[in-house]
Amino acid sequence: AQSVTQLGSHVSVSEGALVLLRCNYSSSVPPYLFWYVQYPNQGLQLLLKYTSAATLVKGINGFEAEFKKSETSFHLTKPSAHMSDAAEYFCALSRNEYKLSFGAGTTVTVRA
Amino acid sequence: EAGVAQSPRYKIIEKRQSVAFWCNPISGHATLYWYQQILGQGPKLLIQFQNNGVVDDSQLPKDRFSAERLKGVDSTLKIQPAKLEDSAVYLCASRSAGGFTDTQYFGPGTRLTVL
Repeated sequence: AQSVTQLGSHVSVSEGALVLLRCNYSSSVPPYLFWYVQYPNQGLQLLLKYTSAATLVKGINGFEAEFKKSETSFHLTKPSAHMSDAAEYFCALSRNEYKLSFGAGTTVTVRA
Repeated sequence: EAGVAQSPRYKIIEKRQSVAFWCNPISGHATLYWYQQILGQGPKLLIQFQNNGVVDDSQLPKDRFSAERLKGVDSTLKIQPAKLEDSAVYLCASRSAGGFTDTQYFGPGTRLTVL
């Protein structure tokens, strides 16, 4: 069975500090991995996706993620947090069935 | 390009009542999904359509939930009768008929409260 585990349900960072959100996956076949962001009362928006090309993936809003097969991880980072980054972030996995399996989410709070 | 539209945005009902949600996907998107997002959890797939046919409804509680996608465009999700544990946000998403890594685009969701 395939699954995604997000480590830490809440992350608080200072404005300008590094944002690091952790995601580990379990899959019997090479996965496709995604990060989505959800702002309050809105749907999910794709930040970036890994599709077996480059292991370092750059996304929107300055975010990037690195696929590490040896660690079964796909952690999301942003060098400098902005107040507008306050949201909930979801890591998701799919194989070849066009379906997404989501983690439980990590809520990011940005302190001024 | 217009996004995925959903209505209503909010709905409050009593348990054992019925409720229906509507979704209009992005024009031309063949695949449509309904997800249930319970507070504090990630979205869980309920049903997946390809055009007007069901691809996967293994997670749909069929004793009370039903969904249809007539003419391969709009879709409705119905709950009858509702239970307290059905309180959640119901998200609709659509995807174009391309490679399986193509992006799913999500609507704003319908927040259901069952009292």
